[in-house]
Amino acid sequence: EAGVAQSPRYKIIEKRQSVAFWCNPISGHATLYWYQQILGQGPKLLIQFQNNGVVDDSQLPKDRFSAERLKGVDSTLKIQPAKLEDSAVYLCASWNRDRGDEQYFGPGTRLTVT
Amino acid sequence: AQSVTQLGSHVSVSEGALVLLRCNYSSSVPPYLFWYVQYPNQGLQLLLKYTSAATLVKGINGFEAEFKKSETSFHLTKPSAHMSDAAEYFCAVDSSYKLIFGSGTRLLVRP
Repeated sequence: EAGVAQSPRYKIIEKRQSVAFWCNPISGHATLYWYQQILGQGPKLLIQFQNNGVVDDSQLPKDRFSAERLKGVDSTLKIQPAKLEDSAVYLCASWNRDRGDEQYFGPGTRLTVT
Repeated sequence: AQSVTQLGSHVSVSEGALVLLRCNYSSSVPPYLFWYVQYPNQGLQLLLKYTSAATLVKGINGFEAEFKKSETSFHLTKPSAHMSDAAEYFCAVDSSYKLIFGSGTRLLVRP
């Protein structure tokens, strides 16, 4: 089966600009996650969706970050306006909880804010 | 709150030597524990997972980990390192279907 797809793979923007990332999970996976991985650290959960509803967004900086999952499939994560400290890799993962399976991760989007 | 601690941000071994990457967890209930590997510019790949069945878990690429409740540990081992094992390794605990990751250990393999 196809894996988790993310685009773009790399993005460079200036501070105060906006940026959007896209994720297409594995078909049939109802649970979708966005993680932020700052250089030298482990991934940190930003938001968790179950179908098209938000389960947990307690660590999402809502003043600048937003995310949506249209029709319970694809998801977009947006940052507006970006700050220097947003430079990181943004990982999308999906999971079929009913199968007791594992979380599958996409290749990530590396964001550099200058 | 659940958490994991990985001791050693960098571990260096010679090719053919034993690999030991340390992970300690903090959890009030029996945890589900995971080891992931991340190669440069790639996402995370599951190496193995502990889900309260056998305490010795075998994973891919010759890695295994042992769950020790008395020591709250879940260390990752491989008997003989290969150059291709050079990567970043993350230990994680499942907290209500969300993964909480450690800070990672970069494994360097010397020829």
